[in-house]
Amino acid sequence: NAGVTQTPKFQVLKTGQSMTLQCAQDMNHEYMSWYRQDPGMGLRLIHYSVGAGITDQGEVPNGYNVSRSTTEDFPLRLLSAAPSQTSVYFCASSSLDRAYGYTFGSGTRLTVV
Amino acid sequence: AQTVTQSQPEMSVQEAETVTLSCTYDTSESDYYLFWYKQPPSRQMILVIRQEAYKQQNATENRFSVNFQKAAKSFSLKISDSQLGDAAMYFCAYGAGSYQLTFGKGTKLSVIP
Repeated sequence: NAGVTQTPKFQVLKTGQSMTLQCAQDMNHEYMSWYRQDPGMGLRLIHYSVGAGITDQGEVPNGYNVSRSTTEDFPLRLLSAAPSQTSVYFCASSSLDRAYGYTFGSGTRLTVV
Repeated sequence: AQTVTQSQPEMSVQEAETVTLSCTYDTSESDYYLFWYKQPPSRQMILVIRQEAYKQQNATENRFSVNFQKAAKSFSLKISDSQLGDAAMYFCAYGAGSYQLTFGKGTKLSVIP
């Protein structure tokens, strides 16, 4: 029962580098999303998807890109990393009826220097 | 846009006592979901309790219960018989038809032995 798997757990990037945060779920959830958590700010939605081939922007989408080619995977791409993107990133998934709420991955701590 | 407010940045409780964490939200929707998530130092987001707005009965999960006041847009969490393992950040979250979750900024709960 893996649930939501995020990789990597930690990452340090230099300004201007690009990278992809991976997210995979094995619960056949239709809904997947990415959040960032900054001190004193709670969690803020970056992008989300309600099914394969469908994505949309959340509250803070600038500098990030997503795609959803399969139900299981929802990678988050940082196009050109900036220090303002230093944060903890969470992937979350849910069935459309939200019968069991939203399941979160264990998070990725990203530092951009 | 929906907002979620947690007015208590920090709280403390004696072990075995009861504590209530406050949450208010703003919405024009009539059908929605409310959640409490626990985030211990491990960073993992753990679902504590879930409430559907159309259900008048307050949700309970063992030592955790909510006081859901729909007209007042209030959703407080009561923790009974507090344990050392309850020490964590607690986030209140709102979700409606778009599946996006809006989080409060969190309440840090300390448990005093």
